[in-house]
Amino acid sequence: EPEVTQTPSHQVTQMGQEVILHCVPISNHLYFYWYRQILGQKVEFLVSFYNNEISEKSEIFDDQFSVERPDGSNFTLKIRSTKLEDSAMYFCASSVDRYEQFFGPGTRLTVL
Amino acid sequence: GIQVEQSPPDLILQEGANSTLRCNFSDSVNNLQWFHQNPWGQLINLFYIPSGTKQNGRLSATTVATERYSLLYSSSSQTTDSGVYFCAVSGGYGGATNKLIFGTGTLLAVQP
Repeated sequence: EPEVTQTPSHQVTQMGQEVILHCVPISNHLYFYWYRQILGQKVEFLVSFYNNEISEKSEIFDDQFSVERPDGSNFTLKIRSTKLEDSAMYFCASSVDRYEQFFGPGTRLTVL
Repeated sequence: GIQVEQSPPDLILQEGANSTLRCNFSDSVNNLQWFHQNPWGQLINLFYIPSGTKQNGRLSATTVATERYSLLYSSSSQTTDSGVYFCAVSGGYGGATNKLIFGTGTLLAVQP
């Protein structure tokens, strides 16, 4: 069964450094998403992406964040200058239409 | 935006017991999904159920969209069912968004 994959599974970085989180959505899906979950809290929406552009973003998704689909298979989330409060589990998701979303296993980001 | 409330916040069961988790939402939805977050943090899709009833093994779910709630039933619970169960919805006025809004989850512990 096709799955969303994410790499790396864990990322440790120093405050102020740039990080790029990688996702490979399910191959025939057209909508792509990033969510995050701070430890012990609920999952929060960051951004959705369709037709090679951002379709919606949350207040969390400020100028420090960007997304890209550099080729036909990858979908990346870049954090330009990480802060301590960016430490969280980041989930990529994809959907074939605007409805059921399938989530990857997550990347746990730790900012020191 | 849509508010999502889940109850109970915590539940402890003996192995073999049955349970019912509830999700209330504040507006009409075009997507409702139930997830199980396992101890490794992965979000496992359980059901896509914006309306109606579905069954999958020991789990079943019912969404009554007109009354704005969904129920997740589990029978004959096993220790591997432990974890956090999230309800997530999208929709709201005009249905223009497909970002998922997550509830705060139900923490389930199944004891042997």
